[in-house]
Amino acid sequence: GIQVEQSPPDLILQEGANSTLRCNFSDSVNNLQWFHQNPWGQLINLFYIPSGTKQNGRLSATTVATERYSLLYISSSQTTDSGVYFCAVTNAGNMLTFGGGTRLMVKP
Amino acid sequence: GAVVSQHPSWVICKSGTSVKIECRSLDFQATTMFWYRQFPKQSLMLMATSNEGSKATYEQGVEKDKFLINHASLTLSTLTVTSAHPEDSSFYICSASGWDFHTYEQYFGPGTRLTVT
Repeated sequence: GIQVEQSPPDLILQEGANSTLRCNFSDSVNNLQWFHQNPWGQLINLFYIPSGTKQNGRLSATTVATERYSLLYISSSQTTDSGVYFCAVTNAGNMLTFGGGTRLMVKP
Repeated sequence: GAVVSQHPSWVICKSGTSVKIECRSLDFQATTMFWYRQFPKQSLMLMATSNEGSKATYEQGVEKDKFLINHASLTLSTLTVTSAHPEDSSFYICSASGWDFHTYEQYFGPGTRLTVT
């Protein structure tokens, strides 16, 4: 099956800093989603982005499908951005395959 | 829109008993619902996929007789953990997709934390 790798696995930032999270996948995809899992376990949809670039406030994402990677940019980070960021893809069928996640801690 | 609820949020049960977890789509019709399991500090692992009115499709290694899934309507799916054992303790999360969204796009419930004593 398709492999999804995220980097870095852990990231510590000072409040106000910017960061880039990366997601590499091993095959073509028909869906790519970025999620934020908050400390209570809820997964929050950030982007549906199988290709192209999108922005939502301080967050933006770019997927280059031909090169099999996606990037999530967080600007001016806040303590509430802490949590785990997951990239997940589908290629055959409708089943999402998740990456290992990036655990982000933003310090005040 | 795209709100998915789960009930209960957490449950503690004794070994050998059964536990039912409900997953509801509150503001859309869910053509497909998914059940995931997540261990501490790990990623989500898909357990099964269910379509309304059809039998669930289980992933390899998931015991269908232990994890019973019912998707009786376009807004409700249930996961029953039968004869629970301590190793079944985990965080169970459901998700749903529907006609209102992008193809294959999923929205997730808040999860149910199961502890088996």
